[in-house]
Amino acid sequence: AQSVTQLDSQVPVFEEAPVELRCNYSSSVSVYLFWYVQYPNQGLQLLLKYLSGSTLVKGINGFEAEFNKSQTSFHLRKPSVHISDTAEYFCAVGGNQGGKLIFGQGTELSVKP
Amino acid sequence: DGGITQSPKYLFRKEGQNVTLSCEQNLNHDAMYWYRQDPGQGLRLIYYSQIVNDFQKGDIAEGYSVSREKKESFPLTVTSAQKNPTAFYLCASSSGGSSQPQHFGDGTRLSIL
Repeated sequence: AQSVTQLDSQVPVFEEAPVELRCNYSSSVSVYLFWYVQYPNQGLQLLLKYLSGSTLVKGINGFEAEFNKSQTSFHLRKPSVHISDTAEYFCAVGGNQGGKLIFGQGTELSVKP
Repeated sequence: DGGITQSPKYLFRKEGQNVTLSCEQNLNHDAMYWYRQDPGQGLRLIYYSQIVNDFQKGDIAEGYSVSREKKESFPLTVTSAQKNPTAFYLCASSSGGSSQPQHFGDGTRLSIL
């Protein structure tokens, strides 16, 4: 069975500071990992994905994530955040029949001026 | 532009009524999904469909029904048997492979009058 744990439910940070949103997963099958962002009252938008190859994945809006197989982690990072990055972020794991994704509980990123 | 359209954006239901949420996609995706989102609980899978005229229950299918008569459409009916229907409902689609990301609509917020 697969599962995803996002270790922080809320992350407050000041504008232009770096941020890391933590995600751990467990899986007994091939691992495909995703980060999504959700702005208020909207759907989810794909930030980045790890399928294979380089463990450092770059996405949109200046975000990147690193796949660490030994620590079963896929943490999301941004070196300098903006007010507009305030949103909820979801980590998800794929590799299931029917293309199903397993989502974490979400991390609310709040960027303050 | 290709994408997923959910309608209506806001929906109100009276006690004992069934309501149907619309989801249409023009991405030519084979697979479609319905999720329920509640604060602090992430996304929970209600139903999914890998091909036309076939669908499977997700983790919380009780009180919901779906149909998949056309590739582009995957409507969700919230029946009167669903005792706590107030939530944000998200529809998604993908090409169906286990490594593929899902693309999301902007959601429908359902409330009980």
